[in-house]
Amino acid sequence: QVQLVQSGAEVKKPGASVKVSCKASGYTFTGYYMHWVRQAPGQGLEWMGRINPNSGGTNYAQKFQGRVTMTRDTSISTAYMELSRLRSDDTAVYYCARRKGSSGCDYWGQGTLVTVSS
Amino acid sequence: EIVMTQSPATLSVSPGERATLSCRASQSVSSNLAWYQQKPGQAPRLLIYGASTRATGIPARFSGSGSGTEFTLTISSLQSEDFAVYYCQQYNNWPPEETFGQGTKVEIK
Repeated sequence: QVQLVQSGAEVKKPGASVKVSCKASGYTFTGYYMHWVRQAPGQGLEWMGRINPNSGGTNYAQKFQGRVTMTRDTSISTAYMELSRLRSDDTAVYYCARRKGSSGCDYWGQGTLVTVSS
Repeated sequence: EIVMTQSPATLSVSPGERATLSCRASQSVSSNLAWYQQKPGQAPRLLIYGASTRATGIPARFSGSGSGTEFTLTISSLQSEDFAVYYCQQYNNWPPEETFGQGTKVEIK
């Protein structure tokens, strides 16, 4: 069965970086884009960007350009999202989700809480 | 950036009644629109993609319609498990930046 399993919760200080992993199983990793979406406490969903695991090509939301880097390791079917220069308003649950073409994000990771606090 | 606006922010509905949620795009997104349901402490769940295609396993009481800039999610007869927050998301090809609406909370009346 399809699973996206994310790394555990993180606590970071302002100015630091965080790298969240998303391990895929149960399907062909390179056949689906991986998207990253975050949700601040009590707030809505915010799209951060996506990576094509086949080519490594990325598209980022303008808001995160220069601060976010999405990568993948096809040998272990894992996608990564690194966010740098963290601020307190980056405190959120970060999700990975897969999508193929125009079919919607049908499987999501369990979410990773990143807390940014001094 | 394409801005997605959902209305209303909160919808109070009695079980068994019909719920109609709206989503408007600031420019045409063709049919590149999805709807998600989210319950507290859970990841979003895909309901509809391509504006009107139900995802695998989604009950027929959920239906989506619209194209261009105006979209609707209809829940024909609300069940207890349907009380949640619903988000629309556009994924138009250009610009390659996807956006969510701010969400509509469907609560028990």
